[in-house]
Amino acid sequence: DAKTTQPPSMDCAEGRAANLPCNHSTISGNEYVYWYRQIHSQGPQYIIHGLKNNETNEMASLIITEDRKSSTLILPHATLRDTAVYYCIVRALYNQGGKLIFGQGTELSVKP
Amino acid sequence: DAMVIQNPRYQVTQFGKPVTLSCSQTLNHNVMYWYQQKSSQAPKLLFHYYDKDFNNEADTPDNFQSRRPNTSFCFLDIRSPGLGDAAMYLCATSREPYEKLFFGSGTQLSVL
Repeated sequence: DAKTTQPPSMDCAEGRAANLPCNHSTISGNEYVYWYRQIHSQGPQYIIHGLKNNETNEMASLIITEDRKSSTLILPHATLRDTAVYYCIVRALYNQGGKLIFGQGTELSVKP
Repeated sequence: DAMVIQNPRYQVTQFGKPVTLSCSQTLNHNVMYWYQQKSSQAPKLLFHYYDKDFNNEADTPDNFQSRRPNTSFCFLDIRSPGLGDAAMYLCATSREPYEKLFFGSGTQLSVL
């Protein structure tokens, strides 16, 4: 699976949009971009995923660049409960059994 | 309602004393995964079951074994725990290998 690069930490003010970047310059055509988050002392939680089109759900939006070498997860109105480690994962679904391999993630702190 | 249930939440064992961690799911998913997460690190995949087929990661120590007696339950056995095995152990499920994973809350293992 392609590697990802994320900033180790970010801060965001409560009520503002949180924009979390991810670089995946070696992504291949059959690999999806997944985002999970892990709130302290809990298991990871699925947020969103996409292949090449932008995606939106009730939790977040995912913007993938046209060349697919990077993406941004957007939490439109961050709350204190969004404080967590956010993992960007590139996943080859139909090869290697679709294993989910975590990188180091970005620790997002939402501040009042 | 919890869909992936891990018991106990905290487990203490002695150095070298076998320990078993359990995971159950109410989702009727085909795939069950075990991850190890050490302090301040990302989760690391140990192995997974697709139905009854066991798939071990190449770097998972032989000290770690798993059993899946039926669809709902999966167990992680650590035959001779060392101090380095102290970690959070996360169970996850997915309906198929290429679908999103649902994680339990984890079992925090301490080795004395």
